[in-house]
Amino acid sequence: GAVVSQHPSRVICKSGTSVKIECRSLDFQATTMFWYRQFPKQSLMLMATSNEGSKATYEQGVEKDKFLINHASLTLSTLTVTSAHPEDSSFYICSASWDRGGPDTQYFGPGTRLTVL
Amino acid sequence: AQKVTQAQTEISVVEKEDVTLDCVYETRDTTYYLFWYKQPPSGELVFLIRRNSFDEQNEISGRYSWNFQKSTSSFNFTITASQVVDSAVYFCALSGGAAGNKLTFGGGTRVLVKP
Repeated sequence: GAVVSQHPSRVICKSGTSVKIECRSLDFQATTMFWYRQFPKQSLMLMATSNEGSKATYEQGVEKDKFLINHASLTLSTLTVTSAHPEDSSFYICSASWDRGGPDTQYFGPGTRLTVL
Repeated sequence: AQKVTQAQTEISVVEKEDVTLDCVYETRDTTYYLFWYKQPPSGELVFLIRRNSFDEQNEISGRYSWNFQKSTSSFNFTITASQVVDSAVYFCALSGGAAGNKLTFGGGTRVLVKP
């Protein structure tokens, strides 16, 4: 149980284009989804938290107009990197959890490696 | 603010050796949750364990064991009789209190198990 998928697993795009990454909880309804970014040999950096049906909450320093997050249903959240540039190249990981009345375990997707040329 | 420190950046062992990963945390909350995740080379974070602050019982799961000591704010993880498949980056994380569901990650410890 608690399986989270991400699509695509790897994407290469040209500078200036937009890229959409999907995160799905396959066997549970995720009340909250999180988006992280990870640079090589570094820890995970939380970008934003999204709850189904409401606007995402972004961490300090993360551009909300650059990284658009939509949590349209209890099983799907999307991250769109708009007008991507080489510095946006990174490993993006989502996680999902369900509310059981307190902080709950986050289950992570397999990640998406974005390369912007 | 919450903080998690994993002082060991990389540990190299030979197969069948035991390896202990240290995790020290800081929080002002009385209710909090501690986690360990494994990140193999494929990149996906695999959930290993969750422990709440009121449960100091140590836990064993197969070759994995965890030692939670509130007195020293530590939540250490031991792999017994390591195997090559244990090679990965291991992250300790903390949530709860004002942070709610948000995870504060340590820097991670890379474990390399050589055959």
